[in-house]
Amino acid sequence: GQQLNQSPQSMFIQEGEDVSMNCTSSSIFNTWLWYKQDPGEGPVLLIALYKAGELTSNGRLTAQFGITRKDSFLNISASIPSDVGIYFCAGQETSYDKVIFGPGTSLSVIP
Amino acid sequence: SQTIHQWPATLVQPVGSPLSLECTVEGTSNPNLYWYRQAAGRGLQLLFYSVGIGQISSEVPQNLSASRPQDRQFILSSKKLLLSDSGFYLCAWTTSSGQHNEKLFFGSGTQLSVL
Repeated sequence: GQQLNQSPQSMFIQEGEDVSMNCTSSSIFNTWLWYKQDPGEGPVLLIALYKAGELTSNGRLTAQFGITRKDSFLNISASIPSDVGIYFCAGQETSYDKVIFGPGTSLSVIP
Repeated sequence: SQTIHQWPATLVQPVGSPLSLECTVEGTSNPNLYWYRQAAGRGLQLLFYSVGIGQISSEVPQNLSASRPQDRQFILSSKKLLLSDSGFYLCAWTTSSGQHNEKLFFGSGTQLSVL
């Protein structure tokens, strides 16, 4: 079945550093999503992407829908302590399909 | 505005005991409802989803069941818990148009420990 892979699995960075993470799939998706889960909470949608090549920002976060439609990238600039959490990529082949989640990238920010 | 409530927040249960987790959504009608499980350090596994009252789709064979007795109520149950049922259970909803909406709104989760 469909599968998403995320890398890296975990990251430890200094406050103020930029962060990059990516997500790849075994099949083509029409929609890519990035969610963030704070410790002990449910995930919250950060960015949704609907078109190959699309680049969308949400504050210090920027995500891109890969040209091949099989990958997506998330960048965080000038990280701060509240960026700590698990970042999930998710994808949807068509609007009739369920959303599939990746295994997550755990981010730790050292003050 | 729409809100989603999940309870309890934490639960410790012995092996073999029953389970009932409840999720309710306010401020919307006919939502799609979802139950996910997140094992420690792992991703989100979809367990069940429902597109309407009494309509339940199961994604993985398991020791759990789900029910939707009312439009905005989704219940996750088990008759006899196993150790492997431990995890973080998340309820989520989306707006419904007969298909799966990509924008999921999650509850705050229930941490279940089976001992």
